[in-house]
Amino acid sequence: DIQMTQSPSTLSASVGDRVTITCRASQSISSWLAWYQQKPGKAPKLLIYKASSLESGVPSRFSGSGSGTEFTLTISSLQPDDFATYYCQQYNSYSFTFGPGTKVDIK
Amino acid sequence: QVQLVQSGAEVKKPGASVKVSCKASGYTFTSYYMHWVRQAPGQGLEWMGIINPSGGSTSYAQKFQGRVTMTRDTSTSTVYMELSSLRSEDTAVYYCARVMSLAVAAIGYWGQGTLVTVSS
Repeated sequence: DIQMTQSPSTLSASVGDRVTITCRASQSISSWLAWYQQKPGKAPKLLIYKASSLESGVPSRFSGSGSGTEFTLTISSLQPDDFATYYCQQYNSYSFTFGPGTKVDIK
Repeated sequence: QVQLVQSGAEVKKPGASVKVSCKASGYTFTSYYMHWVRQAPGQGLEWMGIINPSGGSTSYAQKFQGRVTMTRDTSTSTVYMELSSLRSEDTAVYYCARVMSLAVAAIGYWGQGTLVTVSS
């Protein structure tokens, strides 16, 4: 199975900050990467698919980039609703591994 | 609208099996693959496997090979996930989840989750 890592595991930030989360795959996954946001007690929500495509209805302050083995999720100006845990997931093969998650909390 | 409705919470003893159901509605059941994902308390998301509701073919994460079985019933638009030889580490919320669309293979729809508790 392809292994996914994320950094940092926890990120403390303030409203208005620019936030960047990194996701790395153990082998090339082309652009087959998604980002999800999850809040406590809720199912995850799709933010970005195919590395950089913004899902419909997701605010434009979220953006994704990367290909191959290294990817980033950027929140351009952190809003109060964005404090949550973020997961990357590869879907390059029939083994759809998630990263371990990055918790974004209030500084 | 797409809806995935899962069966209720379960409490099982170590060594037992559990079977969770996920009834789909609001779309053509056989047109979209279904995933199963679990999340232990306070932990991250863990992908378990995928089933093609059309032909029933499956692909399981290596970790669960030999212990998990995913099936479907096209007459009721329901998929099932059975996990055997349960241990305490299997205590988690189990989600069924569908891809967003035929063009977007990422997961776009989730069931409400089923809490499975394994305890003696």
